[in-house]
Amino acid sequence: AQRVTQPEKLLSVFKGAPVELKCNYSYSGSPELFWYVQYSRQRLQLLLRHISRESIKGFTADLNKGETSFHLKKPFAQEEDSAMYYCALSDAGGTSYGKLTFGQGTILTVHP
Amino acid sequence: DSGVTQTPKHLITATGQRVTLRCSPRSGDLSVYWYQQSLDQGLQFLIHYYNGEERAKGNILERFSAQQFPDLHSELNLSSLELGDSALYFCASSARLAGSRGANVLTFGAGSRLTVL
Repeated sequence: AQRVTQPEKLLSVFKGAPVELKCNYSYSGSPELFWYVQYSRQRLQLLLRHISRESIKGFTADLNKGETSFHLKKPFAQEEDSAMYYCALSDAGGTSYGKLTFGQGTILTVHP
Repeated sequence: DSGVTQTPKHLITATGQRVTLRCSPRSGDLSVYWYQQSLDQGLQFLIHYYNGEERAKGNILERFSAQQFPDLHSELNLSSLELGDSALYFCASSARLAGSRGANVLTFGAGSRLTVL
């Protein structure tokens, strides 16, 4: 079974400060990790995925298999980054054909 | 617009009633996933269909059922509704082939907000 843990339900920072949203996972196979973002009253959108190793809107995330973590980081937070962030893990094999398991989410608030 | 369409956007009903939520996946996507988002439970996977067949079940109650039709749209049926069923129900679709490896990117709809009074 796979599990995704986001230990912080709420995270507040000031504009321009660095931000790190934590995500830890447990999975017996080879995981595919994602970050999804949900802005106020909008649908979930893919922010980034570990296999592409890209930076989106200044956010990066590195998969650390040793620590089973996939923390999301941004060096300088902006007010428009305020949103709910979900870390998610994909079961690439087995019988569930890629369903996503989500963490509980972290509400990021960036104060001016 | 993500290409995944969900109707209705909002629905208010009473306990004991039955509702049907509808989802049209992105053009060409064969996989449809249903998720329930509530304040206390977060995002919970309910069920996954691929090309008309059920592929995986999550925390879906027996009072809930779903199906995917030949035109690939999907419906989630919620019956004997309880107050605790009030939530945002998301549908997501994926182009990924069943059983294949590679990043499985889900595209989400805007959700159907169900309020049970």
